[in-house]
Amino acid sequence: DIQLTQSPSFLSASVGDRVTITCRASQGISSYLAWYQQKPGKAPNVLIYAASTLQSGVPSRFSGSGSGTEFTLTISSLQPEDFATYYCQQLLGYPLSFGGGTKVEV
Amino acid sequence: EVQLVESGGSLVQPGGSLRLSCAASGFSLSDHYMDWVRQAPGKGLEWVGRIRSKPHSHSTEYAASVQDRFTISLDDSDNSLYLQMNSLKTEDTAVYYCGKTRYGAGNYIEHWGQGTRVTVSS
Repeated sequence: DIQLTQSPSFLSASVGDRVTITCRASQGISSYLAWYQQKPGKAPNVLIYAASTLQSGVPSRFSGSGSGTEFTLTISSLQPEDFATYYCQQLLGYPLSFGGGTKVEV
Repeated sequence: EVQLVESGGSLVQPGGSLRLSCAASGFSLSDHYMDWVRQAPGKGLEWVGRIRSKPHSHSTEYAASVQDRFTISLDDSDNSLYLQMNSLKTEDTAVYYCGKTRYGAGNYIEHWGQGTRVTVSS
């Protein structure tokens, strides 16, 4: 099974900060990685797929990079609505799996 | 417009059964891979299982934690997705989401339902 390790688990930041979240896979997954944002009490929403492709309608301050085993999600300038929990998901091998999540808070 | 509406969540005793539904509109279920994902209280997301599209024989995949207890199916006639859950355990307590995937790049979840809550407790 493919494990995903996200870091950090918690991140304290301020509006306007540049934020970077890392997701490491236990084995190579090419670019079969998606990033989701989840706000309290709501379903997740996809931000990035195929490791670096921005989902339609997602602000351009979000970007993704990486391939193989190491991936990053970057928010170039944190906005108030970006305080949320972020998850990566690998889509290469079954069982599919999510990272443990990164909570971005003030 | 794509809409997914889950229902069927409730309080059930350990060892019991429950069937969750996911009513889809705006697209045909048979044309897409569909996923179930759950989230235990205060915890992260856990992938539960997937049913592939009709061209792929509606074959299924499951997480080890639910294999042989949960079954994913769908009904073309009413465009609904189901999750039959048997032999429920307290650790199955979670909000359950259905998700429509987008073909390509591994079929990531493009649309999510609002979730339905399952509580397994005596």
